[in-house]
Amino acid sequence: NAGVTQTPKFQVLKTGQSMTLQCAQDMNHEYMSWYRQDPGMGLRLIHYSVGAGITDQGEVPNGYNVSRSTTEDFPLRLLSAAPSQTSVYFCASYPGTGWGNEQFFGPGTRLTVL
Amino acid sequence: QQQVKQSPQSLIVQKGGISIINCAYENTAFDYFPWYQQFPGKGPALLIAIRPDVSEKKEGRFTISFNKSAKQFSLHIMDSQPGDSATYFCAARGVAYSGAGSYQLTFGKGTKLSVIP
Repeated sequence: NAGVTQTPKFQVLKTGQSMTLQCAQDMNHEYMSWYRQDPGMGLRLIHYSVGAGITDQGEVPNGYNVSRSTTEDFPLRLLSAAPSQTSVYFCASYPGTGWGNEQFFGPGTRLTVL
Repeated sequence: QQQVKQSPQSLIVQKGGISIINCAYENTAFDYFPWYQQFPGKGPALLIAIRPDVSEKKEGRFTISFNKSAKQFSLHIMDSQPGDSATYFCAARGVAYSGAGSYQLTFGKGTKLSVIP
């Protein structure tokens, strides 16, 4: 099993450009989440999904869109990139939100917006 | 706003020493407290977790101590090794931000641990 995969590993954008960060998992997990990690800020939840076709907002959703058409994939879209979106983005998948349900994280995408 | 406060931001410990990282929370509805370990260039990975009806959980050299009345919990790493050098995040599980009924994790800001030989 590959676990959680993310592409690309690195990306540089100019302000106003759009892009999609890809996330895929092969563990048949219902739940998936997107986090951003900034120095000294920990991991902050952007959006999450509780199953195909169902998404919801987290702590910092502004500027990001998501969709979940399949169980395996959960892409994160930046419609008009801003320098404030420079960050490391992590995708996670997990089988449920009960006690003991571990979140499995991908390796991350480091995004720089100039 | 849900918060989990973590300290210290960074910690330097000699090999063989004890590393202690502390977290505090305000929301009494939090009901599950995991710790994640992250090595440079990697995603976080679950290290150990505790439920609030337990005061202590030990797995090898790693121990969580939980004080429900004080709303605090801590990670103790005994006999710290250079391979333990990483960033550690505490987290707490609670109802999602939108109140949709799904539980989500709120993370502390992280502690960068350096274990020197």
